[in-house]
Amino acid sequence: AQSVTQLDSHVSVSEGTPVLLRCNYSSSYSPSLFWYVQHPNKGLQLLLKYTSAATLVKGINGFEAEFKKSETSFHLTKPSAHMSDAAEYFCVVSDPSGGGADGLTFGKGTHLIIQP
Amino acid sequence: ETGVTQSPTHLIKTRGQQVTLRCSSQSGHNTVSWYQQALGQGPQFIFQYYREEENGRGNFPPRFSGLQFPNYSSELNVNALELDDSALYLCASSLGLAGLYEQYFGPGTRLTVT
Repeated sequence: AQSVTQLDSHVSVSEGTPVLLRCNYSSSYSPSLFWYVQHPNKGLQLLLKYTSAATLVKGINGFEAEFKKSETSFHLTKPSAHMSDAAEYFCVVSDPSGGGADGLTFGKGTHLIIQP
Repeated sequence: ETGVTQSPTHLIKTRGQQVTLRCSSQSGHNTVSWYQQALGQGPQFIFQYYREEENGRGNFPPRFSGLQFPNYSSELNVNALELDDSALYLCASSLGLAGLYEQYFGPGTRLTVT
């Protein structure tokens, strides 16, 4: 079985300061890990994904995440927050060894607030 | 290239009724997955259809059922609606099974059960 824990339900940062959204995962096998963003009234958008290649993954809009197997973590970071980054962020895990039949497992989400 | 579309955008149903939600997959995609997102929660996997057959199901009762058509569009049917079925229903299409291929999500259908 696989699961994801997002450690913060809300994160508030000032514009121009770094962003850190924390995620821990549990998976029986080598997982694929993703971060998705959901803006109000819009569909989920893939920010980045880890699929057993480089442990530091770069995504869109300046976001990146580092896969740390020893810590079972996949934290999302951005050096400088922008007002447009305000949204809901989801950490997601999947287990490719199941042939993809188990779908994606989402965390509960972290609401990112950007203060002007 | 047309993205994933869903219809209707919103609907309101009464407890005990049945509802059908529709999803058009992105061009070239043969897999559609459905997710339920309750308010304040992350999406939960309902099931996915690969080449017109159900291939994987989450922890949802049989009154949640689906279809995939030859053009790879899909329907989600929910019978005997309950108040807890009120949620945003998301579909995602992909080139193959979820978890192996990138999922492209539609904007969702907001279902309210009264």
